[in-house]
Amino acid sequence: DVKVTQSSRYLVKRTGEKVFLECVQDMDHENMFWYRQDPGLGLRLIYFSYDVKMKEKGDIPEGYSVSREKKERFSLILESASTNQTSMYLCASSLSQGATGELFFGEGSRLTVL
Amino acid sequence: SQKIEQNSEALNIQEGKTATLTCNYTNYSPAYLQWYRQDPGRGPVFLLLIRENEKEKRKERLKVTFDTTLKQSLFHITASQPADSATYLCAPRAAGNKLTFGGGTRVLVKP
Repeated sequence: DVKVTQSSRYLVKRTGEKVFLECVQDMDHENMFWYRQDPGLGLRLIYFSYDVKMKEKGDIPEGYSVSREKKERFSLILESASTNQTSMYLCASSLSQGATGELFFGEGSRLTVL
Repeated sequence: SQKIEQNSEALNIQEGKTATLTCNYTNYSPAYLQWYRQDPGRGPVFLLLIRENEKEKRKERLKVTFDTTLKQSLFHITASQPADSATYLCAPRAAGNKLTFGGGTRVLVKP
């Protein structure tokens, strides 16, 4: 079975701190994604990557950056955390664009910024 | 801009009945549409995919329809069970574009 593992289920950080959210997948998927999920707003795409060292902005990239140095790992970085970044963060992976694009999600990382 | 609408109100249904969820989209033409299930505090899990040239798709007690004229997909859970209680998300995808999710509809099946 495909497994997408997010490094932390729960994090509490202070405003202004730098935050790293790590995601690893074990099925050699080309595509990886970071979403955030908020009540009433649904899942919103932050960044995605179709290959190593490639990244594309999603719908809400402001305040975030990403890193993909290895195919299996996709990191989300909050350079200076703010309270409006308190959210559930979900990482996902999928096969290449030529396939159906079914997403496999991790369990999520719930971030609270105080 | 592209918009996806799902009923934001929870759907309460009696065990054994059929639950029907609606997904409407505007301003784009998805090549296919996916449905996911999400349990509280967990990531979404893929259920079904239906392509634009398919009218209906079934998987066990689940049925999905896709009407490209109405720009709508319906998701049915037949013979519903308490274990079906969850939030269901639709995600239409245009060819070559990223997947965009609706806000989800919560289903509560009462015994």
